[in-house]
Amino acid sequence: QLQLQESGPGLVKPSETLSLTCTVSSGSISSRNYYWGWIRQPPGKGLEWIGSMYYTGSAYYNPSLKSRVTISVDTSKNQFSLKLTSVTATDTAVYYCARHFSNYWNFDFWGQGTLVTVSS
Amino acid sequence: DIQMTQSPSSLSASVGDRVTITCRASQSVKSYLNWYQQKPGQAPKLLIYAASSLQSGVPSRFSGSGSGTDFTLTINSLQPEDFATYYCQQSYSTLLFTFGPGTKVDIK
Repeated sequence: QLQLQESGPGLVKPSETLSLTCTVSSGSISSRNYYWGWIRQPPGKGLEWIGSMYYTGSAYYNPSLKSRVTISVDTSKNQFSLKLTSVTATDTAVYYCARHFSNYWNFDFWGQGTLVTVSS
Repeated sequence: DIQMTQSPSSLSASVGDRVTITCRASQSVKSYLNWYQQKPGQAPKLLIYAASSLQSGVPSRFSGSGSGTDFTLTINSLQPEDFATYYCQQSYSTLLFTFGPGTKVDIK
């Protein structure tokens, strides 16, 4: 069964860069038809798609975050990463990584999520 | 941007009830509509994709219908483990994938 696991700092200072990594196990990040995405959920609120990337480097980003977001894929480590620059308190959220199936663009496997708090 | 709305925002139901949740898109998304279940402290779980296809391993009491702008998720014979928040997600626009605001189903 495919598994995804987020890792990274749980506390980031305002104006700094949030960096998270998602490790994929029991499956290949180079699989055809699957993108790898990030979704976030502020405490007590709904879900917001951040962006998704194919292992070749093709990517889609949420326009509202695009200027601050970079998603990258490391096929040798079976990992993909998220960088979000110039964070503010409004970026405080649980960040999920997920597999994004390009046939129907649904998120069919998710990591457990990691809470990132932006605070000085 | 395609905006998603859900109704109701919350509902109370009893075990054994039939529950229907509605999702509406601001423009046609054809059948590119997915449903997720999220329990407190857990990641969302895919239930239905392409409006009406049941994800592998999901109980058959869950079903989805609709196309264009109006969609429904139905839970037949609600079980204790079904109390959760349900989100729809449009996957028609690859420029911006958007989720509905969620519908919380709790115990009456």
